[in-house]
Amino acid sequence: GEDVEQSLFLSVREGDSSVINCTYTDSSSTYLYWYKQEPGAGLQLLTYIFSNMDMKQDQRLTVLLNKKDKHLSLRIADTQTGDSAIYFCAESISNTGKLIFGQGTTLQVKP
Amino acid sequence: GAVVSQHPSWVICKSGTSVKIECRSLDFQATTMFWYRQFPKQSLMLMATSNEGSKATYEQGVEKDKFLINHASLTLSTLTVTSAHPEDSSFYICSARDRLSVKMVFGPGTRLTVT
Repeated sequence: GEDVEQSLFLSVREGDSSVINCTYTDSSSTYLYWYKQEPGAGLQLLTYIFSNMDMKQDQRLTVLLNKKDKHLSLRIADTQTGDSAIYFCAESISNTGKLIFGQGTTLQVKP
Repeated sequence: GAVVSQHPSWVICKSGTSVKIECRSLDFQATTMFWYRQFPKQSLMLMATSNEGSKATYEQGVEKDKFLINHASLTLSTLTVTSAHPEDSSFYICSARDRLSVKMVFGPGTRLTVT
């Protein structure tokens, strides 16, 4: 079945780059997403990448996709304390619209 | 941009009662909406796919008679937790996708506490 795995915790210093990694299993995924969740809040879509792309950059965010290894990463440049949150990667299941989420990576940014 | 709202944002109810949660797409139409449940410090688990004008499709292990879903219009889906028990206490989040976009937009979530 479909499965998405993430590391659970990452701690960085303010100003450093953060890299959050994710692996997935469904090779038919069409889109892969990164969401941010702050405490007690819903999910905020950060960015997404189409499965036939290998990189997408959006301001401080860079998404890298290695389709062969089914590996996705999110790099946050110049990480700020406001970036502290839980980050979820998610894969879309074919054309169903369903998303399968990873466990979430808690990013802690130290001043 | 596309916005999804949920109502209420939080609710406390007594064990045995039913609670209805609404999910609305504010500026777009969604033939399909999704309902997720998130337990504290855990990931989101898909509960069901809500289809406008037809029956919802439930994920394995989700009781359809307990979690009633109605998608009566292109902008509204409702989730009713029937005969709620304390173990149903959770954060319920809906999502929808604009037919013209690939972005899956999530609502702000509804925190349900059953006492």
